[in-house]
Amino acid sequence: NAGVTQTPKFQVLKTGQSMTLQCAQDMNHEYMSWYRQDPGMGLRLIHYSVGAGITDQGEVPNGYNVSRSTTEDFPLRLLSAAPSQTSVYFCASSQLDRQGNNYGYTFGSGTRLTVV
Amino acid sequence: AQKVTQAQTEISVVEKEDVTLDCVYETRDTTYYLFWYKQPPSGELVFLIRRNSFDEQNEISGRYSWNFQKSTSSFNFTITASQVVDSAVYFCALSAQGGYNKLIFGAGTRLAVHP
Repeated sequence: NAGVTQTPKFQVLKTGQSMTLQCAQDMNHEYMSWYRQDPGMGLRLIHYSVGAGITDQGEVPNGYNVSRSTTEDFPLRLLSAAPSQTSVYFCASSQLDRQGNNYGYTFGSGTRLTVV
Repeated sequence: AQKVTQAQTEISVVEKEDVTLDCVYETRDTTYYLFWYKQPPSGELVFLIRRNSFDEQNEISGRYSWNFQKSTSSFNFTITASQVVDSAVYFCALSAQGGYNKLIFGAGTRLAVHP
């Protein structure tokens, strides 16, 4: 019963490098999302997906790409890392009812990313 | 536009004191959901409560209680007889019907409970 698994837990990148943050859930949830957490700003939505093959932008999508080839996985790609992307990243998943309302979010344990 | 405001950035109390964390939200939707999450120093996000807009009944769970008032668009969280283990950052969040329910977070309130 793993829930939402994020890897890696910590990462240091140099400016301009690319990398992928992994997120996997084993609850067969339709909805998955990526948030970033910065001091004093709460969590802000980067990208989300309502099912395999469907993704959309959130509040702060620039500099990030996502794809959803399976229900279980929702990786987040940083194309060319910048110091402004230093943050803690959380992946979350939830189940939707027929009206599109969710029953609550399950969060991963987070990835602390530092870009130098 | 949807927005969640947690005006209290930091609160410091002594153990056994009661403390209330304020949350004010904005939405034009008639159906929406409100959440509280706890983030202890270890960093994970712990779900505390989910409340829909049609249920204004107050909720109590042990030392925790929540006061939902649609008239003032508030969803406040009270910890009774606080303990050191309650020290954490607490987030209030809003999710509205349809639109795939993007979760909008407040900035969080950092609660420090001292022995």
